[in-house]
Amino acid sequence: QPVLTQSSSASASLGSSVKLTCTLSSGHSSYTIAWHQQQPGKAPRYLMKLEGSGKYNKGSGVPDRFSGSSSGADRYLTLSNLQSDDEADYYCETWDSNSWVFGGGTKLTVL
Amino acid sequence: EVQLLESGGGLVQPGGSLRLSCAASGFTFSSYAMNWVRQVPGKGLEWVSGISSGGTTYYADSVKGRFTISRDNSKNMLFLQMDSLRAEDTAVYYCAKSANWQIDYWGQGTLVTVSS
Repeated sequence: QPVLTQSSSASASLGSSVKLTCTLSSGHSSYTIAWHQQQPGKAPRYLMKLEGSGKYNKGSGVPDRFSGSSSGADRYLTLSNLQSDDEADYYCETWDSNSWVFGGGTKLTVL
Repeated sequence: EVQLLESGGGLVQPGGSLRLSCAASGFTFSSYAMNWVRQVPGKGLEWVSGISSGGTTYYADSVKGRFTISRDNSKNMLFLQMDSLRAEDTAVYYCAKSANWQIDYWGQGTLVTVSS
């Protein structure tokens, strides 16, 4: 089954942009993933589905500041014009034949 | 509006059992795969179990043989029967809906604590 690798932490300044990465393991570079956001003390929230082609579909109410892109086995989540409530954990997730898989999550700090 | 409402969490002794429920609304429940995902406080998300729209079930190795997922499409309900519970099963359990297999909605979670 695929393994999803994420950096444990990232930081960026208020109003700037940040690009988070989720890397698919060898042999799974074409997989579609989903990005989820979990703000402190809250349940996760679905952000978008992101295909290997770079096409993405966002969930209801997700701001235009959030976008996705892909390059090979890498799947990216870009947050523009960072706001204080973007400070959260971000997880990528995918499915393969008989199981769902999550990345370890990236803790984003907004400075 | 899609809503997923979990219930059934609580304190249980090691070796005990607990049944979680998830009431779904706002979508055609029978048409979608559903999942249980858990999270130890302060840790990451861990997929536990899933069930397809057709009733095929899937389990993480850590719970295989101890947990049973089921659904009642007539009542728009998802269940997780948890037996032989261990301390390491302590976590917040989330009900989650899948569309084209990726998860696209989450419930608010219910806390399960396994302790003597």
